Amino acid sequence: GDSVTQMEGPVTLSEEAFLTINCTYTATGYPSLFWYVQYPGEGLQLLLKATKADDKGSNKGFEATYRKETTSFHLEKGSVQVSDSAVYFCALSTTDSWGKLQFGAGTQVVVTP
Amino acid sequence: DAMVIQNPRYQVTQFGKPVTLSCSQTLNHNVMYWYQQKSSQAPKLLFHYYDKDFNNEADTPDNFQSRRPNTSFCFLDIRSPGLGDAAMYLCATSRDNRGRRPDTQYFGPGTRLTVL
Repeated sequence: GDSVTQMEGPVTLSEEAFLTINCTYTATGYPSLFWYVQYPGEGLQLLLKATKADDKGSNKGFEATYRKETTSFHLEKGSVQVSDSAVYFCALSTTDSWGKLQFGAGTQVVVTP
Repeated sequence: DAMVIQNPRYQVTQFGKPVTLSCSQTLNHNVMYWYQQKSSQAPKLLFHYYDKDFNNEADTPDNFQSRRPNTSFCFLDIRSPGLGDAAMYLCATSRDNRGRRPDTQYFGPGTRLTVL
């Protein structure tokens, strides 16, 4: 079945540091890939997405590239801020699964001043 | 702004006392979802509606029911809440993209349920 594996947290960084969160997937269909962010006590917000190989999603300084050859969708940001402290979820959905989201376990990111 | 709204944001109920959580949307999406999220875990899909067509996940307990009276509203009913049902409940919506690329799900802010 479909699955998403992302690096465990918490990831603790200083402000202005470079952030990478690794995400790899297995899927029987041809998935769309998503990164969602969840701030404390809030719902999930779509951060970025990519729907086909080599697509790059970007938003708020975050980027992720859909790599079919390595089945990966790693999230990166060049200079994090304290306000980026949150839990980040990598997810996929396929046409075979009517769009059902398969989430990774989530990675907590803590950015200190 | 078009959005997904959940009420209330915080709900306290007693063990065994039925409770209803509400979700509404102004996006005019025809697919709506309910997720349960426990602390430090990923959201777990309970069920979804494709228009009025209800689809239950195989491992969703019978204690959880849902109603969708129209396109805009969807309710989650917990018939006899147990202590293990304390969680954040998230509603999400998406457009019908069946047969094409899966469309994005848009989430509400969630309702945090406490069971005493």
